[in-house]
Amino acid sequence: TQLLEQSPQFLSIQEGENLTVYCNSSSVFSSLQWYRQEPGEGPVLLVTVVTGGEVKKLKRLTFQFGDARKDSSLHITAAQPGDTGLYLCAAGGHAGNNRKLIWGLGTSLAVNP
Amino acid sequence: ETGVTQTPRHLVMGMTNKKSLKCEQHLGHNAMYWYKQSAKKPLELMFVYSLEERVENNSVPSRFSPECPNSSHLFLHLHTLQPEDSALYLCASSQILAVNSYEQYFGPGTRLTVT
Repeated sequence: TQLLEQSPQFLSIQEGENLTVYCNSSSVFSSLQWYRQEPGEGPVLLVTVVTGGEVKKLKRLTFQFGDARKDSSLHITAAQPGDTGLYLCAAGGHAGNNRKLIWGLGTSLAVNP
Repeated sequence: ETGVTQTPRHLVMGMTNKKSLKCEQHLGHNAMYWYKQSAKKPLELMFVYSLEERVENNSVPSRFSPECPNSSHLFLHLHTLQPEDSALYLCASSQILAVNSYEQYFGPGTRLTVT
């Protein structure tokens, strides 16, 4: 059973467009993180959200944690080719485990010039 | 060096070879992790070391053997691997018991191909 569902799985857009990707679960988590991974590299942490309803902004990226702490979204405004990569969500605190992250499969984003 | 480094970046080995992957973290963290990343699968946690003690081993085959000599270094010793072990092996570190202890910082990975 996949605890974290990410959608869409693939997304190809033109430079300048806006997009939203989602990370959903039926479980409640203590925290949720978003990472971006470029080909041949490890995931890079973008943001951590811990409070239900929390919204964080990182330049053109807006992250939201659901009120019930079961889901999250990432919105990118005016996407650029440099935003291309695999966006992974990971959640912590499931079943009281304070070391293990639960990972989604990721959304593969391609931003075309 | 900064962050988390891994060597080698690429490794091709036969099924009868023995090799080791190395990870070093320069962040002052007290926990280190090995993950396996394969296509169409979520990141698979293999081993966790906290304060240099192995605290989690997610039923990984014995052909993978971790070693953590100190809080900055982590090794993954490989022997008699199978072709299905071909994957990207990622090392990560975090600060356990910190406010944001779930935040993990990754190295660039070792792309392993078993022939």
